[in-house]
Amino acid sequence: DVKVTQSSRYLVKRTGEKVFLECVQDMDHENMFWYRQDPGLGLRLIYFSYDVKMKEKGDIPEGYSVSREKKERFSLILESASTNQTSMYLCASSLRASYGYTFGSGTRLTVV
Amino acid sequence: AQSVTQPDIHITVSEGASLELRCNYSYGATPYLFWYVQSPGQGLQLLLKYFSGDTLVQGIKGFEAEFKRSQSSFNLRKPSVHWSDAAEYFCAVGADDMRFGAGTRLTVKP
Repeated sequence: DVKVTQSSRYLVKRTGEKVFLECVQDMDHENMFWYRQDPGLGLRLIYFSYDVKMKEKGDIPEGYSVSREKKERFSLILESASTNQTSMYLCASSLRASYGYTFGSGTRLTVV
Repeated sequence: AQSVTQPDIHITVSEGASLELRCNYSYGATPYLFWYVQSPGQGLQLLLKYFSGDTLVQGIKGFEAEFKRSQSSFNLRKPSVHWSDAAEYFCAVGADDMRFGAGTRLTVKP
């Protein structure tokens, strides 16, 4: 089974800090995605990547950036964390769209 | 732009009763459609998917869904709900980048 691993289950950061959320997948998938999940809003796409060093903006990229230096790793960066970025962050990967996504367990980030 | 609407935020059913969760989508072409389930504190697990062929698709855990192009719908069904089905269910549409609905939380009464 494909495994998507998110490095932290829970994180607490201070306002203004630079935050790194890491995601690693072990099945050589081309595509990787970052979503945030908020009650009543479902999952919203932040960024995605089709290949190493490639990135595309999703629906809510403001305040975020990403890095994909290796195929298996996709990092989400909060340049200057704010309280409205308190959320559950989910990483996913896929080989191709028709297969669906495999999700990590999520990182619950609290910005204080 | 692609979008998904799940009209029901929360549904309660009795164990053993049938279940239908609604999903409507907007997409420019024939979509890939998915249903995912999320148990508390967990990531999302794929239940089933549709992208062509038979409009009634079978998934894991006894779930099925029917694609109706004329209604832009992809409703999820289960004939007899088990207590372990209590979770949040998400409908999703898309190709290379997927969009999700807001989710429907399912509560199962004993």
